[in-house]
Amino acid sequence: QKEVEQDPGPLSVPEGAIVSLNCTYSNSAFQYFMWYRQYSRKGPELLMYTYSSGNKEDGRFTAQVDKSSKYISLFIRDSQPSDSATYLCAMSPNAGGTSYGKLTFGQGTILTVHP
Amino acid sequence: EAEVAQSPRYKITEKSQAVAFWCDPISGHATLYWYRQILGQGPELLVQFQDESVVDDSQLPKDRFSAERLKGVDSTLKIQPAELGDSAMYLCASSPSTDTQYFGPGTRLTVL
Repeated sequence: QKEVEQDPGPLSVPEGAIVSLNCTYSNSAFQYFMWYRQYSRKGPELLMYTYSSGNKEDGRFTAQVDKSSKYISLFIRDSQPSDSATYLCAMSPNAGGTSYGKLTFGQGTILTVHP
Repeated sequence: EAEVAQSPRYKITEKSQAVAFWCDPISGHATLYWYRQILGQGPELLVQFQDESVVDDSQLPKDRFSAERLKGVDSTLKIQPAELGDSAMYLCASSPSTDTQYFGPGTRLTVL
């Protein structure tokens, strides 16, 4: 079983829809949670970064972390065709350990927003 | 805006040949990472450098892969000999600390 599980989709939604992307994980040491967006043939770009449980909002994007359930989510409001990409969740453990800073990624969810 | 540079962007080689990829991190970033991303999967860490020292190379197939960062700035990842299963995107990332990483555009390797 992988440490981080992410539904690969693909997910297809109409423009303006609310999109929900999710990851589950098994490693209790994960403390830092990130979402990356990756366009075709490009490197991942950091979208959201959160520490521990709670919500964080940035424009149309909201990241949610529930450590008790080992579950994280990314919500995209008013989705646009330009949001069409692969979304990767990533996690790293708490500071001080030898694996601090090492990111473990989910498989990625392919999202298409059609006009 | 500063970016991580990688070259070449695309590489096609035949199995058993040697290939090398280059990465120039964002200026001032002490930590540098090499990842491999197989199509349809998330990136997997191959090696992590802190300045010129290797911090983690536990997932690097050392019989054929090598990585160096001689002056603690740019870095080279080499594969010798390349195998069919090495076809993937090779991503370099850099970080000013160890919890936020910025990725380059990647090198897409095809081994024939």
